[in-house]
Amino acid sequence: NAGVTQTPKFQVLKTGQSMTLQCAQDMNHEYMSWYRQDPGMGLRLIHYSVGAGITDQGEVPNGYNVSRSTTEDFPLRLLSAAPSQTSVYFCASSSQIGIGNTIYFGEGSWLTVV
Amino acid sequence: LAKTTQPISMDSYEGQEVNITCSHNNIATNDYITWYQQFPSQGPRFIIQGYKTKVTNEVASLFIPADRKSSTLSLPRVSLSDTAVYYCLVGEDNYGQNFVFGPGTRLSVLP
Repeated sequence: NAGVTQTPKFQVLKTGQSMTLQCAQDMNHEYMSWYRQDPGMGLRLIHYSVGAGITDQGEVPNGYNVSRSTTEDFPLRLLSAAPSQTSVYFCASSSQIGIGNTIYFGEGSWLTVV
Repeated sequence: LAKTTQPISMDSYEGQEVNITCSHNNIATNDYITWYQQFPSQGPRFIIQGYKTKVTNEVASLFIPADRKSSTLSLPRVSLSDTAVYYCLVGEDNYGQNFVFGPGTRLSVLP
């Protein structure tokens, strides 16, 4: 009953470092996405994928890279961390087919860039 | 994308019914209305979704008038544990990439 799993839960990076936030889902969902949420704000879409091998940019893609080699995994890479990327990151997935497809979110990854 | 407008915050007391209204004047024919709930330090979770009229589940009711330019999430008899941020989303039920999260409504339930 795992759903959407994100790792790590917490991470501190120095400016300029790179890292990867991992996301995995076990619901065989075609659609996966990454959001960031700044304090007191709503979620902003970074990148999304509608299936293995297919990715596209969302609202705030700069500074982030994604790939989708399998249906289950959708890692988010920070290429050269900046303090402006300090945020909470949520991975999400949903089925692409049918009425009423729910978006399932992970528990979040708290990232601080110093 | 249909823009949504919700109150930034609301206060209520335990046991009361809470109604949160969302305005979406530019809703398109294919758009659905979906509400999510987010507790502190957690990801949002689905509450209810509708297209028109009224939808009810074990958690909430969603009222959508005929013109669909607004919708109202109704939470019956709230408890302290209903304190959360509630997001109204409007978009096509297609892959989810058209769903845009605004700042939501911060509901505080007081004892």
